[in-house]
Amino acid sequence: LAKTTQPISMDSYEGQEVNITCSHNNIATNDYITWYQQFPSQGPRFIIQGYKTKVTNEVASLFIPADRKSSTLSLPRVSLSDTAVYYCLVATRRYSSASKIIFGSGTRLSIRP
Amino acid sequence: DVKVTQSSRYLVKRTGEKVFLECVQDMDHENMFWYRQDPGLGLRLIYFSYDVKMKEKGDIPEGYSVSREKKERFSLILESASTNQTSMYLCASSLWSSRPPMNTEAFFGQGTRLTVV
Repeated sequence: LAKTTQPISMDSYEGQEVNITCSHNNIATNDYITWYQQFPSQGPRFIIQGYKTKVTNEVASLFIPADRKSSTLSLPRVSLSDTAVYYCLVATRRYSSASKIIFGSGTRLSIRP
Repeated sequence: DVKVTQSSRYLVKRTGEKVFLECVQDMDHENMFWYRQDPGLGLRLIYFSYDVKMKEKGDIPEGYSVSREKKERFSLILESASTNQTSMYLCASSLWSSRPPMNTEAFFGQGTRLTVV
């Protein structure tokens, strides 16, 4: 099962670009890398998913090097509302039809004015 | 929008009680999950289900059971509640992917904060 390692916490300021890196050395060939965001007292919310190179959506960009052993979530021009916990995860072993979704410990991102 | 609804936002139960946590999703998703979240421990998978009446243990199934009699509903059961089961419980659902890549986009409910006294 692919485990992920990410920093426990990060601080930044409004308007800055924030990059959160996650390592997943045992990622399997067919695994995708996924990032979630969680605000206090809410369930996690899917942000972005990718397999290799770069993926961009309206919220973030995801950079994945060729060896896929790590990934970086990039949040452009953060605001106070981006203060949250960010989880990196990879799909784990498939049980018949299900993807068992396992979360790591997450990175607590704090944005200051 | 996908909606995952958990029956209670807050629940207080006594030690030894049988507790049912209900979760309903309205997007016809095949997969459903139950997690608990505790400070410093993150989200831990209790059970998941990939079809009606089908279930698999997650990482911490002890003290819990689940039921999935209908596709849209997934219930978590605490057979005899204990104080160490005081936690935030989160339900999620996801679509089945017929081939790689595995689908890891799950939609979460708002959570049920359970206190066992």
